[in-house]
Amino acid sequence: DAGVTQSPTHLIKTRGQQVTLRCSPKSGHDTVSWYQQALGQGPQFIFQYYEEEERQRGNFPDRFSGHQFPNYSSELNVNALLLGDSALYLCASSFGGPGNTIYFGEGSWLTVV
Amino acid sequence: KNQVEQSPQSLIILEGKNCTLQCNYTVSPFSNLRWYKQDTGRGPVSLTIMTFSENTKSNGRYTATLDADTKQSSLHITASQLSDSASYICVVSAWISGAGSYQLTFGKGTKLSVIP
Repeated sequence: DAGVTQSPTHLIKTRGQQVTLRCSPKSGHDTVSWYQQALGQGPQFIFQYYEEEERQRGNFPDRFSGHQFPNYSSELNVNALLLGDSALYLCASSFGGPGNTIYFGEGSWLTVV
Repeated sequence: KNQVEQSPQSLIILEGKNCTLQCNYTVSPFSNLRWYKQDTGRGPVSLTIMTFSENTKSNGRYTATLDADTKQSSLHITASQLSDSASYICVVSAWISGAGSYQLTFGKGTKLSVIP
């Protein structure tokens, strides 16, 4: 059983460009959350998707948007990239109540130059 | 504002020694507390999950404690190994009833280095 898979693993973009990151949740998981982790920092919550709808959102600008598909996979889109968007972007999936284990993918490293 | 503070920021220990990492939180309403291990450049991996009523939970050489009254948790690592070198992140979950979902607050982590 594959865990949470993310793609691409690494990418480099130019300031002002747009990027799309992808996530496939662990089998049977219906909730997907996205996090941004800068070097030396803990992950910061971006948003959470459940049943194809954004259920919660962290303190991120509208340049950050997402989508969840009927198969529960998800995308994170970032427009008008800034140098400060350079980070590890983590996808996490879960199923059911708050006490269940949350599984993280290996992340997508984004470097904006 | 929900916050999770971890100490120390970094720690160096000799292989075979024990160590304890600390986590203090101000998260409400509290749902559970998790410890994750994150190797450099990798995604976090779950070590333990503790609810309000649990004081201690073990996972191999890792033992987590929780004092919900003082809002403190610790992660004790016994007989450390070189492979324990990683960041250990404390994560506290709050159940947001209005959204029907949980919200996680992450600490910045403690970077542990185990040396031979």
